[in-house]
Parts: sequence; C-alpha cells; structure tokens
Amino acid sequence: GAGVSQSPSNKVTEKGKDVELRCDPISGHTALYWYRQSLGQGLEFLIYFQGNSAPDKSGLPSDRFSAERTGGSVSTLTIQRTQQEDSAVYLCASSGLAGENTQYFGPGTRLTVL
Amino acid sequence: QKEVEQNSGPLSVPEGAIASLNCTYSDRGSQSFFWYRQYSGKSPELIMFIYSNGDKEDGRFTAQLNKASQYVSLLIRDSQPSDSATYLCASRGGGTSYGKLTFGQGTILTVHP
Repeated sequence: GAGVSQSPSNKVTEKGKDVELRCDPISGHTALYWYRQSLGQGLEFLIYFQGNSAPDKSGLPSDRFSAERTGGSVSTLTIQRTQQEDSAVYLCASSGLAGENTQYFGPGTRLTVL
Repeated sequence: QKEVEQNSGPLSVPEGAIASLNCTYSDRGSQSFFWYRQYSGKSPELIMFIYSNGDKEDGRFTAQLNKASQYVSLLIRDSQPSDSATYLCASRGGGTSYGKLTFGQGTILTVHP
C-alpha cells in the first residue's frame, strides 16, 4: 500500500524566500509528525498533529516556522524568510494515533537555502 | 546534556559477530524506547520498541531496557553486511509529549565481510 509521501523531494531556495513543504500521510492515519535532520543536530522533533490539532509544537525553532493540517490528512510546513541554517532534510511521519509505537517516515524533503 | 545519548561510532564488526549498540537517556518520565535503522540517504525505519524492563527479542535483534540505569541497548546477532547503517535510539515522553520522539545522534555500524 502507499506509504507517507512528501513533496517536493528537493527544494533549493534563496535566503529570505518562503517555502512550503507538503506531507501526505498513510491513509487512515490520524497522527502526523514533522522532524528535521541536519548533520550538526541529528533528527529533531518539530511538531505533531492528532487530527487537525497540534498538542505539541515545542520543537518549532522560531516563529518563522508554522504548520497546519486540514481535513485530518495533508499537512503543510511553512518556513518564512528562510535562513541558511534552515537547510536540512525535513521528514514527515504518520501513525494510526498519536503515541502509537510505530511512526512511519516519508522519504523527506531536502531543503537547501543559498 | 542531550536527552538521548549514543556513541556515534563508527562501530565495526565482522560478519557473523554480535553488534552491541548502546543508548542512555536523561528523562525518567520517558515511557517507551525505539531503535530505528537509517541507510544512507534514506528515511528511518523502525526495528523494534521496548517499554518494560528486561529483554525483547525479534529475530536477530534483541532490545534491552534498564530503567533504573536509564539505559537501552540493541544487540544484533549474526551481523550481516546489509546491517551496515546508522542506528538511532529514541525515547517517547508522557503527557502532551507522548507523540514526540527524541532521538540520539545515531551510531554508525559497519559490518565487514
């Protein structure tokens, strides 16, 4: 069956531009998670959704980062006024319910800020 | 101090040997612990999870948890070259953070023929 999908797979942008990253979870999964992975910081939690609500957004690094989920399915992570330190692989995962033991990861979006 | 710590390695073992990967955590409120494998350029995939003290076995893999020592380990028996990857240890908290996984930096494992 279809796994978690993310788009675009690669995004190159200029410093100061806004970017939108999209995640489409596994069908029927109500929980959705955003992480980012960079060489210096490892794999870091950003935010998770249960349905359309975000009980924990403690990992968002600044107010330039926001995420939304509508219809309990697709989620968009938006980074405004991108900075070079935002360069990373942004990973999305989903599970049947938040707190379920298996989070299935998507292939990621590699973001490069020039 | 990082919440989840791993020896970054690299850990090199010969084919057929036992690979032992270790992880410590600082948050005593952590509920469950996870081992993910990540091949270069790929996304993490779950190997197994554990939430009770003791051992949990799944095929060639055994996870061990000692909550008193705040220590988690993963043993890989009969290591194969295809096991060469980065192994990520993660913990999950309680309360509103039960959806959040906190990852260690990962241990690079190389299994040589």
